[in-house]
Amino acid sequence: GAVVSQHPSRVICKSGTSVKIECRSLDFQATTMFWYRQFPKQSLMLMATSNEGSKATYEQGVEKDKFLINHASLTLSTLTVTSAHPEDSSFYICSARDPWDTETQYFGPGTRLLVL
Amino acid sequence: LAKTTQPISMDSYEGQEVNITCSHNNIATNDYITWYQQFPSQGPRFIIQGYKTKVTNEVASLFIPADRKSSTLSLPRVSLSDTAVYYCLVPSSNTGKLIFGQGTTLQVKP
Repeated sequence: GAVVSQHPSRVICKSGTSVKIECRSLDFQATTMFWYRQFPKQSLMLMATSNEGSKATYEQGVEKDKFLINHASLTLSTLTVTSAHPEDSSFYICSARDPWDTETQYFGPGTRLLVL
Repeated sequence: LAKTTQPISMDSYEGQEVNITCSHNNIATNDYITWYQQFPSQGPRFIIQGYKTKVTNEVASLFIPADRKSSTLSLPRVSLSDTAVYYCLVPSSNTGKLIFGQGTTLQVKP
């Protein structure tokens, strides 16, 4: 299947700082990427849909000013957690939809964020 | 978006066949059914996808009855490494959104 990467795989930051997470589709161009968050022993929660060349669309309850999403190219979407707080500590996962195989999403390996 | 319902947990033993059934009563005509596997601290991994009848790949089989209101993921001869959470999902045919339920935690015992 298609390959999606994330960087970094884990990050520790101080409260109040911002953290950027990258999501790349390695062998296909993705016009649409998705960002999820997963807390321990819970399921994935969709945060937003990232569209190349346009603004992201956020799910209800997700603060767009806190979770900045940029999809500047067909292979890269970034999620920036601004002014991070300990409650933002979570596992962040992205996925990408191959336009030639629109029914399938391929997920990245995830990024573990710990805010101290 | 079609809501899915599946058992929260299942136990099995090595070498057995495991069948996980998922219901999706309000599936739309154009919707596909997709199954993912997730290990702790990893992103979900695509297993199989189908629209109707039966689909088989090197990992699993997917059985979908004619009314498409349910589907069954079949894992032949499971091993300890198949212990994971399995998610049944119906992506929105328009937006591609996936709404994850709790999934089925499969525990394979020796």
